[in-house]
Amino acid sequence: GAVVSQHPSWVICKSGTSVKIECRSLDFQATTMFWYRQFPKQSLMLMATSNEGSKATYEQGVEKDKFLINHASLTLSTLTVTSAHPEDSSFYICSARIWELRNYEQYFGPGTRLTVT
Amino acid sequence: AQTVTQSQPEMSVQEAETVTLSCTYDTSESDYYLFWYKQPPSRQMILVIRQEAYKQQNATENRFSVNFQKAAKSFSLKISDSQLGDAAMYFCASPQSKLTFGKGITLSVRP
Repeated sequence: GAVVSQHPSWVICKSGTSVKIECRSLDFQATTMFWYRQFPKQSLMLMATSNEGSKATYEQGVEKDKFLINHASLTLSTLTVTSAHPEDSSFYICSARIWELRNYEQYFGPGTRLTVT
Repeated sequence: AQTVTQSQPEMSVQEAETVTLSCTYDTSESDYYLFWYKQPPSRQMILVIRQEAYKQQNATENRFSVNFQKAAKSFSLKISDSQLGDAAMYFCASPQSKLTFGKGITLSVRP
């Protein structure tokens, strides 16, 4: 149980275009989802916390107009990178928490590799 | 604010041997959890072990165990009988409203 999927797993886009990444909880309802960014050999950097039905909470230094997060249902959150540039190339990971368990464990998606050319 | 510190960027262990990965943390909470996550080359984050701060007994999951020293705010991971599949990046993490990760440590296993 507690499976999180991400789509696509790898995307290449041209500079200036936008790309959407989907994060789905497959067998549970996720009131809260998290989006991370990770560079090679580095730790995960939290970008934003996404709550179903409300606006996402962005971490300091993350451009909310560039990284649009929508959490329209209890099983789906999306991250849209708008007007992507090569410096946005990175590995993006989402996770979800089951609040009812009250154990703070997060279940991670397999990640999405974004390459902007 | 909470912080998690992993000061060793890399470690290496011989197959079948034991290795300990260090982690220290700082928190103002009285009750909290601590996690170790594994990230293999596939980059899928996998929960290795969880420790609840109010439990004095150290958590154990098969070959993985922790040495939790609450007063010293230390939370190290011991991997016994290391296997080639243990090679990965390991992250210590402390969750409250959001998960705070350490910088991670790259573990290599020598055959």
